[in-house]
This record gives sequence, structure tokens and C-alpha cells, in this order.
Amino acid sequence: AQKVTQAQTEISVVEKEDVTLDCVYETRDTTYYLFWYKQPPSGELVFLIRRNSFDEQNEISGRYSWNFQKSTSSFNFTITASQVVDSAVYFCALSVPDRDDKIIFGKGTRLHILP
Amino acid sequence: EAQVTQNPRYLITVTGKKLTVTCSQNMNHEYMSWYRQDPGLGLRQIYYSMNVEVTDKGDVPEGYKVSRKEKRNFPLILESPSPNQTSLYFCASTPGTGGLTFFGQGTRLTVV
Repeated sequence: AQKVTQAQTEISVVEKEDVTLDCVYETRDTTYYLFWYKQPPSGELVFLIRRNSFDEQNEISGRYSWNFQKSTSSFNFTITASQVVDSAVYFCALSVPDRDDKIIFGKGTRLHILP
Repeated sequence: EAQVTQNPRYLITVTGKKLTVTCSQNMNHEYMSWYRQDPGLGLRQIYYSMNVEVTDKGDVPEGYKVSRKEKRNFPLILESPSPNQTSLYFCASTPGTGGLTFFGQGTRLTVV
């Protein structure tokens, strides 16, 4: 069975600090996708990234970076020089194309960026 | 613009009063699904549909119904809502087989 674990329920950091959100996943499938979504206080889900299981290259997008390590089944997300606008709930998720495209979400990490 | 549209965005209703949350997508996607989000539990799939007239249960289907008469629409029906169905609901669509999933804006439902 597939599973996504976000062990950090809530994190608070002071603005301009770097912060890493952890994500560990479980699947026996060799082909899968990993995602990160941001949910600001307004409630919508904002897509941040999708990574397929065959691409272990780290990715950087502005202040955001993602570290995918198959050896540890982790897909961690780092925000560099955090800003108050980064305050949100962040979800890590997994989907397996052969399994009805269902997305399995972690329980989310609530991030507070303190001014 | 490619989008998934849910209505209403906010709804307060009373126990037992039937309601429907509509969902429509304009991308000709095969696959649509409904999720509910509850504090501390993340998002969980309620029902999904792989094509017109094909629907199946997700992880938490009790108390819900869906239909897929047309490709673009996938309404969520609560025949007799109860307070434990108070939640934030998301509709999603995807072309399938690993295509990118699009989510609606969410519907915040309160059942009193």
C-alpha cells in the first residue's frame, strides 16, 4: 500500500530563516509521482512541483528547492530565506499511474513564518 | 483557461437536508475525483470516476453519492448530511495515466 508521512505537524521559524519540510513515502511500485502542494489560509491547493520516480535530480525554483532521494524514500522541501507569505499548510503527495491516478496525501505540515 | 470549478464555495446546512456540490472541468479529462480534507488527516479520496458512467468508491465513501453522466461534470451528493461531514471538499480532474491533476477551489461545508 502507498503511504506518505509528514512527521512535522507544525513548524515555526523567524522570517529569513531557512526551513526544510520532511516527506517520506512508501510504495512498492517503480513508477510513481511525488508532489508538493501549498494551502494558504484562503484554502485553495496550489501546485508547487511534480517529480517522477525516474528523475532524482534536485530542483530549485527561486527560494524553493526539493531534494528527492530514492534510497531513503524521501522528498524534502526547503524554503530559503523564508517570508511571511510562505505561511501555509504544505502537503506532500504520491500517485501511481497504474493505480487509478489516486493521489495519496500526507497529513500536512503547518508552517508559521514569524515576522 | 484550464480549470476545475466547484460550487458553492461555502455552504452551511442542517442535518438531513439533501445537498449537491457541483464540479465541472473544461479540459476533457477522463478522470475525476472528490476528496475531503479534515484537520490532522490530510486529504482523503471519497469517490472517483475513470470515465462517463464509471464511478467507484475511494477511501471514505460512506454518506456520499456521485454521478458521471457527462465527461465534464462530477457532482457530489449528500443525501442526508450529518455533522461529521463538515469538511473542506475538493474536486479534482486529470487526463489519467500520470497526467497533471487540477484541483477545484474547494467547498467549505458546515452541517449543523
